[in-house]
Amino acid sequence: AQSVTQLDSQVPVFEEAPVELRCNYSSSVSVYLFWYVQYPNQGLQLLLKYLSGSTLVKGINGFEAEFNKSQTSFHLRKPSVHISDTAEYFCAVRGEADSNYQLIWGAGTKLIIKP
Amino acid sequence: EAGVAQSPRYKIIEKRQSVAFWCNPISGHATLYWYQQILGQGPKLLIQFQNNGVVDDSQLPKDRFSAERLKGVDSTLKIQPAKLEDSAVYLCASSLDLATGTQYFGPGTRLTVT
Repeated sequence: AQSVTQLDSQVPVFEEAPVELRCNYSSSVSVYLFWYVQYPNQGLQLLLKYLSGSTLVKGINGFEAEFNKSQTSFHLRKPSVHISDTAEYFCAVRGEADSNYQLIWGAGTKLIIKP
Repeated sequence: EAGVAQSPRYKIIEKRQSVAFWCNPISGHATLYWYQQILGQGPKLLIQFQNNGVVDDSQLPKDRFSAERLKGVDSTLKIQPAKLEDSAVYLCASSLDLATGTQYFGPGTRLTVT
């Protein structure tokens, strides 16, 4: 079985500063990894995903994440944040061979942009 | 293409009352999920449908929750009777590409039980 840990419940950062949201996972099998974003009063939207290939994955809105198998991490980064990035970010994992195709979710990290 | 539709967006009920939520997935998406998201937590899967069959309902509190997807398209989730701890956002998601796990979410229904 897989599990996901998002180490920070909130990350405050100044506008135009870089940000990293941390995600670690636990799994005994190969995994697929996802980052979703939830803007206030909205559903979740896929930011990016890692399935295979290059460990650096680029997503929407200038976000990218790097899959590190040895550290079992999939941290999300953005070089310069904007007020519009204020949202909650969720990391999720799925076993590559899982027959039920279900995602295991982290508890989320709230990104707070300070003007 | 149209996204996942959910209604109502907000619902306030008293404990022991019943409530129903509706979801219409993206056209052609065979897989449909209902999640419960309690404030400050990640989504918790309640039930997963593949067409009109249930794939997994292991975390659905079956004494009070029920869900159906009769024609393999839209779905309803019902709570009867509601408890205070059912206050949460109920998210519906659908998926076309099972192999890669990308799920598309609706805006959710925020339920408050008083």
